Amino acid sequence: AQSVTQLDSQVPVFEEAPVELRCNYSSSVSVYLFWYVQYPNQGLQLLLKYLSGSTLVESINGFEAEFNKSQTSFHLRKPSVHISDTAEYFCAVRDFGNEKLTFGTGTRLTIIP
Amino acid sequence: NAGVTQTPKFQVLKTGQSMTLQCAQDMNHNSMYWYRQDPGMGLRLIYYSASEGTTDKGEVPNGYNVSRLNKREFSLRLESAAPSQTSVYFCASRIGTEQETQYFGPGTRLLVL
Repeated sequence: AQSVTQLDSQVPVFEEAPVELRCNYSSSVSVYLFWYVQYPNQGLQLLLKYLSGSTLVESINGFEAEFNKSQTSFHLRKPSVHISDTAEYFCAVRDFGNEKLTFGTGTRLTIIP
Repeated sequence: NAGVTQTPKFQVLKTGQSMTLQCAQDMNHNSMYWYRQDPGMGLRLIYYSASEGTTDKGEVPNGYNVSRLNKREFSLRLESAAPSQTSVYFCASRIGTEQETQYFGPGTRLLVL
């Protein structure tokens, strides 16, 4: 069965500093990988996804994530964070041919002015 | 195009009461899902429907029932609410092709006293 581990439940970062949110997964088959963002009191929005091809994927607001098959990781990075990035970030995995999306427990990113 | 809509936004129930959470999508998606979100636990799948007329259990189905009324609507019913069902409930939908991701509604906040 697939599973997702987000080791950091909370990450405080100073404004304009870089950040990395870690995500590791386990699965016996090939997977699709996703990062979702949840702003306060809102639903989840897709931030970026890895389906195939280039292992580095980017979002429109400066985040990027790299699929590392050997380390079964899909860490999320941003070189310079803004106050508006304050949110909870969820990593998720879906096996090829499977309907089910499995989520990690989330990482709350807090930006310190 | 409203995307995924959920009603109600908030609900308070007493233990033993019943209620139905409504979800509708206007994107002509085939698959629909119900999740619950609890602090520190991420999102957990309750039930899903891969197509109109079919439903399947997810990770935490006990205490819930679902109905895929038509292609647009997927409802979640609590027959006898318990305090352990206090949570935020999210509905999601997906077109159903292999590489497409899920789109989420704004959520329903449920408190069971």
